[in-house]
This record gives sequence, C-alpha cells and structure tokens, in this order.
Amino acid sequence: GPKVLQIPSHQIIDMGQMVTLNCDPVSNHLYFYWYKQILGQQMEFLVNFYNGKVMEKSKLFKDQFSVERPDGSYFTLKIQPTALEDSAVYFCASSLDPGSGNTLYFGEGSRLIVV
Amino acid sequence: QQQVRQSPQSLTVWEGETAILNCSYEDSTFDYFPWYWQFPRESPALLIAIRPVSNKKEDGRFTIFFNKREKKLSLHITDSQPGDSATYFCAASRDMGYKLTFGTGTSLLVDP
Repeated sequence: GPKVLQIPSHQIIDMGQMVTLNCDPVSNHLYFYWYKQILGQQMEFLVNFYNGKVMEKSKLFKDQFSVERPDGSYFTLKIQPTALEDSAVYFCASSLDPGSGNTLYFGEGSRLIVV
Repeated sequence: QQQVRQSPQSLTVWEGETAILNCSYEDSTFDYFPWYWQFPRESPALLIAIRPVSNKKEDGRFTIFFNKREKKLSLHITDSQPGDSATYFCAASRDMGYKLTFGTGTSLLVDP
C-alpha cells in the first residue's frame, strides 16, 4: 500500500540544538500531519498542513516548532531549540481530503531523544 | 484530561476466540471513530472506522459496536489469529479526521 517515509528513524540530540524531522508523504496526498507519542502514552496531534499553510495546531505545538513543505519536497518538522520534554516518537501522516472519507497514512515514526 | 480511553491495556486470547477491545470517549461532538492497528516496528494503519449514523460496522472478522448514548464503542475480533497480535488504537475526530484524538492503545496477543 501507500508508504510514508520518515527520516531519520531515530536521533539523539543535545538539549538546545536544532533538529529537523523529515517526512516523504504519499505522492498525490495534499494534507500532512505530525503526531507526537511519548513512551507509554497515546499519540497526540501536533499540527496539520494543507496548501502551504498550517490549518490547525495543538497546545503541544510550541513556538519552538515549525513545519514547512518547500516546493513539494519533504514535509518537515523543525524544533529549535530542543528541550528535554521534546523526547518522543514523532509520527508523520498524509492523506487526500479526510473530509471526503480518505484515510490517513502514517509513517513508522522518528524517535527523538534529547539529552 | 484523556478524551479517549481504552481498556484493557493488554489482552491475551487463544487462537479462534473472540477478542473484545473497549473504547470510551467524552466529547459528544466526535463524529468519526477509526481504529488503527500497529505491528511492532511498523506504522499505524487504519483497520476499520465508524460514524455515529451507524451502531455497527463489520469488515470480515472485525466488527465495531457503537453506543452513542453511553459514548462507548468496542472492537470485536472473531476467530482471532496469531497474525492479529498487535496494538490497537481507538481514535476519535470531530472533523472527519483532520485532527485525531487517540486512546492509549490495547496490546493484543493471540496465542496459537
């Protein structure tokens, strides 16, 4: 089936450094998402993105977070600067219009450890 | 505040038995309830979904039973197979999926 690829699969980074998580969505998808999962907890919505803009973001999407998809390349989540509480698995997803009943396809996650 | 709750946290059944996974929610404006399953080292994938216009949705061995009044739903897996062993996430959305609220998951193990 359709695949969403995430790079890197895991990364260890020093607190205060910048990190960029990359997502290669399904090729014809137009809606993009990031979810965060802390170990042992549920996945939580961070942000969705369509037509070059953030549609909605949650309280977890701090000012240090940003997303973009320049020129149809990777959909990226950038955290600058990172904090210890940013340690989590970050899942990217993509879809056609979910309002029309289209499914979200998730990647396998990028595990971020901030030390 | 956890808006979507799942129970049990883990469940073991024998091959051929029916596994029942429970989910409850708080927000009555939720209008779309997908279940995702996730195998180790793989991404979550949509298994089956229901909208409140129905109280039952069936797809092969997987059936969702939905009780709008009690804000509860359950996923029944009949004739469970070892290949069904995975973590199952109940999710809810009030906007058809643009923003999903997930439960903490039920880890199912089907013993052969």
